[in-house]
Amino acid sequence: SQTIHQWPATLVQPVGSPLSLECTVEGTSNPNLYWYRQAAGRGLQLLFYSVGIGQISSEVPQNLSASRPQDRQFILSSKKLLLSDSGFYLCAWGTSDTQYFGPGTRLTVL
Amino acid sequence: QKEVEQDPGPLSVPEGAIVSLNCTYSNSAFQYFMWYRQYSRKGPELLMYTYSSGNKEDGRFTAQVDKSSKYISLFIRDSQPSDSATYLCAMSGTSGTYKYIFGTGTRLKVLA
Repeated sequence: SQTIHQWPATLVQPVGSPLSLECTVEGTSNPNLYWYRQAAGRGLQLLFYSVGIGQISSEVPQNLSASRPQDRQFILSSKKLLLSDSGFYLCAWGTSDTQYFGPGTRLTVL
Repeated sequence: QKEVEQDPGPLSVPEGAIVSLNCTYSNSAFQYFMWYRQYSRKGPELLMYTYSSGNKEDGRFTAQVDKSSKYISLFIRDSQPSDSATYLCAMSGTSGTYKYIFGTGTRLKVLA
């Protein structure tokens, strides 16, 4: 069966510091991969998606970036965090018809 | 107008009640419809998935899609305190699409 991992689970970072969140998927090949952000009381905001290695599409222009160095690895990065980057970050992998989510990373920027 | 509308709740019901959760949408191209359950501080968990119109049942859960009205529902029978969570609807267009549209979620509380 397929499993999706995210780490770290929780992160507290100062404003202006860099960020790297990692997501890996097991048990499937060439999945579509997604990064979402969920702010308190709000829905899921799609940040990036990838249909293959090195192929990244951005949905929202901001100070975040994503990379997919391997088939089942997806990384979310920032060079300088803003207060507004705080939130719950979710990685997901998709079949042609649905998506499955990881456990999430809770990021607090102080 | 948002593509997907979902009442945020909170919805409080007594244990054993039948719960009805709903979403409306505006894009007639949506073909795939999903319901997720999200416990506090956890990732969303896929509950039900349906294609096009009709009903789908899985244990205490029934998903219903009415494409003519652009309306989907999730029914929970014999609700339990463990069903207390936020329920998110999601939908997408043709098979193979990369993009899914989510509702903002309905918070459900089942009282023991």
